[in-house]
Amino acid sequence: DGGITQSPKYLFRKEGQNVTLSCEQNLNHDAMYWYRQDPGQGLRLIYYSQIVNDFQKGDIAEGYSVSREKKESFPLTVTSAQKNPTAFYLCASSTPGLGQNEQFFGPGTRLTVL
Amino acid sequence: LAKTTQPISMDSYEGQEVNITCSHNNIATNDYITWYQQFPSQGPRFIIQGYKTKVTNEVASLFIPADRKSSTLSLPRVSLSDTAVYYCLVGPSYNQGGKLIFGQGTELSVKP
Repeated sequence: DGGITQSPKYLFRKEGQNVTLSCEQNLNHDAMYWYRQDPGQGLRLIYYSQIVNDFQKGDIAEGYSVSREKKESFPLTVTSAQKNPTAFYLCASSTPGLGQNEQFFGPGTRLTVL
Repeated sequence: LAKTTQPISMDSYEGQEVNITCSHNNIATNDYITWYQQFPSQGPRFIIQGYKTKVTNEVASLFIPADRKSSTLSLPRVSLSDTAVYYCLVGPSYNQGGKLIFGQGTELSVKP
């Protein structure tokens, strides 16, 4: 089955530690995205990449970093510089040929920083 | 990017038709209107998208008036499983560097 996988589903870290969230897709999509969702809020764009080895900052990139070395992978690192890292993180992908603004989302990773 | 305004919450009963209206007064010429559904602790799921007039698929209908300053998502005969948050988004297409801007969404509660 084609889809997007995010691991792990739940992640706990101590304050001050960097943590990397995994996102893999086997849909052969060109673009990948990272969003953050806080309780009762909509999604906010952290970073996105429309092609391998290239990515752009979204609206809340501070304290986060990404890489796009392979088409199918777009890992997100939450650094110690991120002031409030506890949130639900969602990865998505898209490609030309889908609906104009159709993105496929993964199941999400819930990060809790203690 | 155009800002959207939609009701924070709505209640309905099983079997009813539900209409959720979204206001987007500053929509640009090359913007599309897209709706997503999200269940708790899951990623959003694309429902429907349109540019003007009416679009219908197996899940919903989307009504867009001529001035495109608003849109209405119509869910026919809702069931308990339609209880979710519905997001209205407005923005340019993927090929134009489109980014999705999610507002707070409308929390729909379907009761028996």
